[in-house]
Amino acid sequence: SYVLTQPPSVSVAPGQTATITCGRDNIGSNNVHWYQQRPGQAPVLIVYDDSDRPSGIPERFSGSNSENRATLTVSRVEAGDEADYYCQVWDINSDHPVFGGGTKLTVL
Amino acid sequence: QVQLVQSGAEVKKAGSSVKVSCKTSGGTFGSYTFSWVRQAPGQGLEWMGRIIPMSDTTNYAQRFQGRVTITADDSTSTVYMQLRSLKPEDTAVYYCARVFSTWGSFYFEHWGRGTEVTVSS
Repeated sequence: SYVLTQPPSVSVAPGQTATITCGRDNIGSNNVHWYQQRPGQAPVLIVYDDSDRPSGIPERFSGSNSENRATLTVSRVEAGDEADYYCQVWDINSDHPVFGGGTKLTVL
Repeated sequence: QVQLVQSGAEVKKAGSSVKVSCKTSGGTFGSYTFSWVRQAPGQGLEWMGRIIPMSDTTNYAQRFQGRVTITADDSTSTVYMQLRSLKPEDTAVYYCARVFSTWGSFYFEHWGRGTEVTVSS
């Protein structure tokens, strides 16, 4: 089955940069999308097609994707960024979308 | 403005069925794809299936095949998800989402607030 590997947790101090990865062999050939889910809330799309941001998403959120790893970068981290973050791709073999296991971002 | 308004929380007995609704607004209903995604307590996101109202085409995740049915009502711009033969492990928050889908790209652009379904034994 198609598995996207994310670190369970990432911690960062306010004002610093957080990096969250999403790994799979040859993920660079897929479009990767990222969602933020704050506690008790529904997910929100924050990056699509590797590096594009929907309207209203701060520039502090950026994405990249190459070879075997996609990366979500959160610059100048704020307390409000504390949330779970999920990557997602389309699995062409099974013809359905797949989510990573999620990464809990903790702001120290 | 896109809105997906889901029905309220449900408490069910094991072996029964649940039907969750998602009333949508903003945009042309039939031209989009809608999906259902669930999240068990403390767990990640799990895709269940999708529907394209324009063609009434549905696709389901293999693990839900035979137990889930997703339907759409064009007259009310509402999408439904019915899950049968409920088990306690189906206890989860169920989200509907409007999808952006094109060649090479499929993502969940807008989400409902979720419907909590609790299944007791």
